[in-house]
Amino acid sequence: KQEVTQIPAALSVPEGENLVLNCSFTDSAIYNLQWFRQDPGKGLTSLLLIQSSQREQTSGRLNASLDKSSGRSTLYIAASQPGDSATYLCAVWGGSWETSGSRLTFGEGTQLTVNP
Amino acid sequence: DGGITQSPKYLFRKEGQNVTLSCEQNLNHDAMYWYRQDPGQGLRLIYYSQIVNDFQKGDIAEGYSVSREKKESFPLTVTSAQKNPTAFYLCASTQAGRAFFGQGTRLTVV
Repeated sequence: KQEVTQIPAALSVPEGENLVLNCSFTDSAIYNLQWFRQDPGKGLTSLLLIQSSQREQTSGRLNASLDKSSGRSTLYIAASQPGDSATYLCAVWGGSWETSGSRLTFGEGTQLTVNP
Repeated sequence: DGGITQSPKYLFRKEGQNVTLSCEQNLNHDAMYWYRQDPGQGLRLIYYSQIVNDFQKGDIAEGYSVSREKKESFPLTVTSAQKNPTAFYLCASTQAGRAFFGQGTRLTVV
């Protein structure tokens, strides 16, 4: 059974700092990996999607990398801002998308606070 | 606007009642999912459907039921058999491996 772990569980940084959030997964046979942001009491907003054949994806100040062989992904946030404060969730699609039962498995998230 | 709409945003249930959470999408996605979120436990899969008139149990299906009569709709019923239903419920749809989520329904037992 796929298990996803995110470290650290919580992180507090001063504004302007570059930071890295970590995600690890136990089964490397994944279809893709998706990073989400969740604000308190809200749904999930997709940040980046990395296909299993890709190594990284970038969007603005965000960069996500994927190393399937080691079962790891990192989300890099450059020049953090108070508006980045949220919970960041990593999720992996296990198995083949074409087969019935492919599912998204989530980590428990990293709660980020960026202090002005 | 294309997206996923969950309603209501807040729902209160009395002991012994069944309640139904609505999830509608206009993204023309085939697959739809229901997740439950509890503090400190991440998201857990309740039910999912990859095609109309078909659905499968997830990891915590006991006490829940679903239907998928239309592509656009995937309602979740929380039955009286669910002993601890207070949680945040999230609906998602997917296409080509990318998931999109609604804004959630917070269910509280009173």
